[in-house]
Amino acid sequence: AQTVTQSQPEMSVQEAETVTLSCTYDTSESNYYLFWYKQPPSRQMILVIRQEAYKQQNATENRFSVNFQKAAKSFSLKISDSQLGDTAMYFCAFTSNTGGFKTIFGAGTRLFVKA
Amino acid sequence: SQTIHQWPATLVQPVGSPLSLECTVEGTSNPNLYWYRQAAGRGLQLLFYSVGIGQISSEVPQNLSASRPQDRQFILSSKKLLLSDSGFYLCAWTIPRGYGGNTIYFGEGSWLTVV
Repeated sequence: AQTVTQSQPEMSVQEAETVTLSCTYDTSESNYYLFWYKQPPSRQMILVIRQEAYKQQNATENRFSVNFQKAAKSFSLKISDSQLGDTAMYFCAFTSNTGGFKTIFGAGTRLFVKA
Repeated sequence: SQTIHQWPATLVQPVGSPLSLECTVEGTSNPNLYWYRQAAGRGLQLLFYSVGIGQISSEVPQNLSASRPQDRQFILSSKKLLLSDSGFYLCAWTIPRGYGGNTIYFGEGSWLTVV
C-alpha cells in the first residue's frame, strides 16, 4: 500500500525568507502523481503544485517549487520569499492510475510565517 | 469551469441524531467523488469514494454511510451520530481516471460537532 510521510509537524520562517517542507512516499508503481496542498485557517484545500512522476523536470509555480527525487521517493516543497499569507497547513499527497482511484495524504506540516 | 459545493457548512448535532451532508459538482460529468474526514489538527482520512451512480467503496468501518443518487451528487449519512464522528468533512472530486483525472479538488468543508 502507498504511504505518504511528512516528518515535520510544525515549521516557522521569517517573512521574505525561504523554507523547505519535506515529504517522502512509498510505492511500487512507476507512474504516479504528487501534489502539495495548502489549507489556510479558512480550511479550504488549495492546490499549490503538481508533479507527474514521469517528468524529470521539477514543477514550479511562482514562488513555489519542488525537489522531486524519484529514486529516493522524496518530494519536498520550497517556498521562496515567504509571505504572511503562506501561513497554513501544507499537505503532501500521492495518487496513481491504479490503487482504487484514491488520493493519499500525509499528516501535514503547519507553517508559520513570522513578520 | 467546474465547481463543487457542500452543505451545511457548520452543524452541531446531539449524540444519537441522524446526519446528512450533501455535495454537488457542477460543470463536469461522471466525476469520481470522495468524502474525507479531518480530525482536529490532523491529516485527511478517506472515508468513501464513488466512481459512478450507486457505486460506493468504503475505506474504513465506521458509523457512516455514503450514497450517490445522481451523477454529480454525493451524500454522507449516519443514522445515529457518535461523539467520535465530530470533525471536518470534505467532499472532493476528480475527472474520471483515463482522462488525465488525477488532481483532486475540494469543497468548502463541513464542520460537524457532536454533543
